[in-house]
Amino acid sequence: QVQLVQSGAEVKKPGASVKVSCKASGYTFTSYYMHWVRQAPGQGLEWMGIINPSGGSTSYAQKFQDRVTMTRDTSTSTVYLELSSLRSEDTAVYYCAKGEAAGAYYFDYWGQGTPVTVSS
Amino acid sequence: DTVMTQSPDSLAVSLGERATINCKSSQSVLYSSNNKNYLAWYQQKPGQPPKLLIYWASTRESGVPDRFSGSGSGTDFTLTISSLQAEDVALYYCQHYYSTPPTFGQGTKLEIK
Repeated sequence: QVQLVQSGAEVKKPGASVKVSCKASGYTFTSYYMHWVRQAPGQGLEWMGIINPSGGSTSYAQKFQDRVTMTRDTSTSTVYLELSSLRSEDTAVYYCAKGEAAGAYYFDYWGQGTPVTVSS
Repeated sequence: DTVMTQSPDSLAVSLGERATINCKSSQSVLYSSNNKNYLAWYQQKPGQPPKLLIYWASTRESGVPDRFSGSGSGTDFTLTISSLQAEDVALYYCQHYYSTPPTFGQGTKLEIK
């Protein structure tokens, strides 16, 4: 069965960077895009960007363009989200979410979420 | 960016009754070349990630009970739960994927009356 298992909670100071991992199993890793979506406390869902695990190409939401990096390791079927220059507004739960087969940007499986707290 | 607006923000329905959640997009999400509406619905329970319920506006995801249905086209969409069960208490989100970035509605909180 498809599983996306994310790394654990993080606490960071403003200005620092955070790197979150998402290990996929139960399907062919390189055949499906992976997205990152975040949810601030008590707030809605916000799409951050997408990575193609096959070639590593990425596309980021304009809001995060200069602060986000998405990478992948095909040997371990893991994708990574790195967000730099953290500020308090980045406090959120970060989810990886598997894209559907034909590439449409809806999400059929989600990781359990990684809480990131940014606080001095 | 396309703005997705859900109504109501919260909803209380009696067990066994119908629940209806609306979603309106600021631009059409109907792609004329394939006549598909690029609209999905998710359910999120506390402490859990969202779960896909409906995609292409009306296609139920595998394993989703048939009391959940989606309808609508263009800019106006509806998620209907035909007979509310206790386990349906959750937040519900619509999401368009017609263009980048995909965006979500603000969510509708569904409770038992």
